Amino acid sequence: DSGVTQTPKHLITATGQRVTLRCSPRSGDLSVYWYQQSLDQGLQFLIQYYNGEERAKGNILERFSAQQFPDLHSELNLSSLELGDSALYFCASRASGGDGYTFGSGTRLTVV
Amino acid sequence: DQQVKQNSPSLSVQEGRISILNCDYTNSMFDYFLWYKKYPAEGPTFLISISSIKDKNEDGRFTVFLNKSAKHLSLHIVPSQPGDSAVYFCAARDYNFNKFYFGSGTKLNVKP
Repeated sequence: DSGVTQTPKHLITATGQRVTLRCSPRSGDLSVYWYQQSLDQGLQFLIQYYNGEERAKGNILERFSAQQFPDLHSELNLSSLELGDSALYFCASRASGGDGYTFGSGTRLTVV
Repeated sequence: DQQVKQNSPSLSVQEGRISILNCDYTNSMFDYFLWYKKYPAEGPTFLISISSIKDKNEDGRFTVFLNKSAKHLSLHIVPSQPGDSAVYFCAARDYNFNKFYFGSGTKLNVKP
């Protein structure tokens, strides 16, 4: 158990639908990062939050949005889903000044 | 624009032999490099790291080498074990933007 919790582990939904992925960072970590890993692709950075505020944006589609709540958990909202959105979505957290990430086990999203 | 590249999607090695995984980067502002290991259905886990002020870091069977002039790093696993079979991601930190960039991963298969 890395200390980063992601739910749900698996999600199957239809095209056009909207889903919410949830992440709880390690205790004390203020930064949360979201990554997408498509089949045979590397980890693509989506977005970062630090203590409730958006800090950096990567290759995140306009159909996707995220937020970090006062208790530091984060949610990634994916809407108008397309088949190509099927992927593993990882959340990672990092301690302030920390040198690396701690990843959750991911949410596997399948859009049918 | 892929700033961190792992050009070998897969590598197969016999148990007991050396595994060498390679990673190239383009951004000279990267100051810290990490290797992550990922098993199926799990999130990536931190393996080993190296600061840009060093050229080698060793931890048990794992050694990371950094060649700054060539913008190249490599991970050596000696001796390789079947349990090392996983996908290995290299990552680099851009200190200025407080962001990490990941390569696309190399799938290592260690044959018994």
